[in-house]
Amino acid sequence: SQELEQSPQSLIVQEGKNLTINCTSSKTLYGLYWYKQKYGEGLIFLMMLQKGGEEKSHEKITAKLDEKKQQSSLHITASQPSHAGIYLCGADNDYKLSFGAGTTVTVRA
Amino acid sequence: EPEVTQTPSHQVTQMGQEVILRCVPISNHLYFYWYRQILGQKVEFLVSFYNNEISEKSEIFDDQFSVERPDGSNFTLKIRSTKLEDSAMYFCASSDRQMVDQPQHFGDGTRLSIL
Repeated sequence: SQELEQSPQSLIVQEGKNLTINCTSSKTLYGLYWYKQKYGEGLIFLMMLQKGGEEKSHEKITAKLDEKKQQSSLHITASQPSHAGIYLCGADNDYKLSFGAGTTVTVRA
Repeated sequence: EPEVTQTPSHQVTQMGQEVILRCVPISNHLYFYWYRQILGQKVEFLVSFYNNEISEKSEIFDDQFSVERPDGSNFTLKIRSTKLEDSAMYFCASSDRQMVDQPQHFGDGTRLSIL
């Protein structure tokens, strides 16, 4: 089965600073999805990557899938309190999703 | 924006009792899923459902679990005889097509507490 490792497990960032979260897969990624989860709530779809070298951006969040398609990164520029939450990477595994353990982001004012 | 809705948001049940978790997927979606997240653990796949039948199920989805689409809008997960270890957050998801380029959209979840 496909295993996803996320790093760091948690991070605290000062408002306005940048942050990066990594997701490494044990197998080639054919579809990589980033979700955000607020504590006790559902998963909000952020972005989807399929092709090696692909990069997508939405507002201040950028996600990349490396050329070898086994690692993805999520980068937030100029973080705001609204960016706080748990970020999960999910990989397509025969049309079901396998998830990483999540990265908890805290943004300090 | 269309969304997946789940009810109830929190369910407390005595061990051994049956529980039904309800979901209304996004209206034009055809593929439906249940996942669960035990506190402090990863989100895990339970089952996928298409065309009124189970497409795939995980090892977790044993005989105590069942899913149903009783009408054109609802999708339910039934746990027949609940155990303490069934306590978890249960998420319903739906997608338009079962293809890599179609993300699954999740509901806010039902927190199930077994006493």
